[in-house]
Amino acid sequence: QQQVKQSPQSLIVQKGGISIINCAYENTAFDYFPWYQQFPGKGPALLIAIRPDVSEKKEGRFTISFNKSAKQFSLHIMDSQPGDSATYFCAASMQGGSEKLVFGKGTKLTVNP
Amino acid sequence: NAGVTQTPKFRVLKTGQSMTLLCAQDMNHEYMYWYRQDPGMGLRLIHYSVGEGTTAKGEVPDGYNVSRLKKQNFLLGLESAAPSQTSVYFCASSYSRLAGGPVRSYNEQFFGPGTRLTVL
Repeated sequence: QQQVKQSPQSLIVQKGGISIINCAYENTAFDYFPWYQQFPGKGPALLIAIRPDVSEKKEGRFTISFNKSAKQFSLHIMDSQPGDSATYFCAASMQGGSEKLVFGKGTKLTVNP
Repeated sequence: NAGVTQTPKFRVLKTGQSMTLLCAQDMNHEYMYWYRQDPGMGLRLIHYSVGEGTTAKGEVPDGYNVSRLKKQNFLLGLESAAPSQTSVYFCASSYSRLAGGPVRSYNEQFFGPGTRLTVL
């Protein structure tokens, strides 16, 4: 049973455009929702994260939008740049869960110059 | 700080051979994890450890064993490798909320560079 569903699998955006990746979760006990960024040949690294007491978190060009009632959250990348080309994973975890993360299957983002 | 390191970086095995992957972290993290990454499957948790001397099964533990004899090291073993275990393996570590790590770092997992394993 996949607890975090991520879409789309791949995304192509022009430089300067907005990239949007969506995730949906099932377990209402999740209380932490991070996004990880992975470049080819590297390990994933935390990009931005949100807790369910806020509906939006922004860090530079990256924004998480969170909809608790719909059990959905999304990553928005404003003014997308070729250097943003990477695979993005959403994830979720819960308190008391040994900090285990449940990952989505990933979205490969390509930003064309 | 080196962060999280993994050895080896690459390995080719024949079916039935055994090997051990080593993960080391120098951040004094309580929690450590082993994942495998396959195309289109995301990151799947194999085993994890919440402290020295303790381990637990993750989502896909079959065919793997782990040990955490020292806080800074987490070993992943394949006793009899199978072609289905061809994958990229990532180790990660994190603070524990209970251990009183920095609040901002709760739940943040720090990943190693990965080990690419091919089983023929």
